[in-house]
Order: sequence, then structure tokens, then C-alpha cells
Amino acid sequence: GQNIDQPTEMTATEGAIVQINCTYQTSGFNGLFWYQQHAGEAPTFLSYNVLDGLEEKGRFSSFLSRSKGYSYLLLKELQMKDSASYLCASYNNNDMRFGAGTRLTVKP
Amino acid sequence: EAQVTQNPRYLITVTGKKLTVTCSQNMNHEYMSWYRQDPGLGLRQIYYSMNVEVTDKGDVPEGYKVSRKEKRNFPLILESPSPNQTSLYFCASSTRDRGFRDTQYFGPGTRLTVL
Repeated sequence: GQNIDQPTEMTATEGAIVQINCTYQTSGFNGLFWYQQHAGEAPTFLSYNVLDGLEEKGRFSSFLSRSKGYSYLLLKELQMKDSASYLCASYNNNDMRFGAGTRLTVKP
Repeated sequence: EAQVTQNPRYLITVTGKKLTVTCSQNMNHEYMSWYRQDPGLGLRQIYYSMNVEVTDKGDVPEGYKVSRKEKRNFPLILESPSPNQTSLYFCASSTRDRGFRDTQYFGPGTRLTVL
């Protein structure tokens, strides 16, 4: 199976940098997704990593280490609107497994 | 506009009364799936479909049925709903090209309450 672990809650200050970690089991692993979900809304796609390394998209970057079963999402220059839940999900063949999500609160 | 639509958005029903939640996408995506989201448990996959007439169970398929008779629609059927199926449901679709990169779309969600 695929156990996805990520912290339940994090708090950071506006303008700062925050790193949200995610660990997963590696059996049959194909790739790793990150989604953002604001309260009461649908998840929106942020990134999908297949290969090891860091991928940057504006203020958001995502890193993957397949050998370690580890990923992180890096958010720079935090804004108040970044307060949301961040969901890590592993893609295993046709099966998507989500973590419970990390609720990020950005404070002024 | 590219989108995934779900109906209804909110539904309160009683135990045992059959219901269907519709899902439709206008992007010609091959892959569609249903999730439920519960506090502390995250999103759990119920069923998915790789293409027309191809469906498979996800993590929590018990008590649910799906069908994929045409590419754009993927309804979720609860034959005899029970209170433990009270949840927030999301439909999602994607193309299978380029390993799903940049192509994941979720519907707006359906909040179901079973009394």
C-alpha cells in the first residue's frame, strides 16, 4: 500500500519561506503530486514530480527524492492568500493516494 | 472554459434512498475518478476509470457504483446510502498524456448528508 505522511498544521509569517514535507512508501511509485485546497473549495493542481530534483514554478517549488520516498513543497514570499491546505499525493500505476493534508496559516 | 461539473452541489437524503451524483467534463479526458474527503483522512479514491467502459475500484469502493458509458460523464451511484457515506465528494479528470503533467482538474465538490 501507500502511506502518505505530512504534517497536520504549519504556521508561517507573511513574506517568509515555508517548506512542507511529505514522505511516502515507494512500492510501484510513478510520481508525486502537490495540490492546494482552500477551505470549502476543490483542490487545485500545483505540481507533479516524476524525476528526482527540484522543479520551480514562480513562488512555488517542489522537490522529489525517489530513493528516499520524500518530497517537499517550498513556498517563497508567503502571502496571506497562501493560507490553505496543501495535499501531497502519490501516483502508483492508476491509483492515487492522498495524504491528509497540511493546513498552512500565514500570519501578518 | 475547461471544467469539471458536478450535480448536485449539496444533498441531504435519508438512509436507503438511492441517489446519483453526476460528473461531466468538457476536456475530452480519458481518466476520471471519484474521491471522498473526510476530516483528518484526506482525499480517498472511490473508483476510477481509464476510459469508456473501463472502471476500477479505488481505496474505498464499498457502497458505491460507477459507470462510464461515454467519455465525458462519470456518475457516482449510491444504491442504498448510509450515514457513514456522509462526506464531501469530488470528481476529477485528466488526460493521460505526458504523465498527467499540468492536466489535473477537480470538480467543485458535492456535500452529501445521509440522515
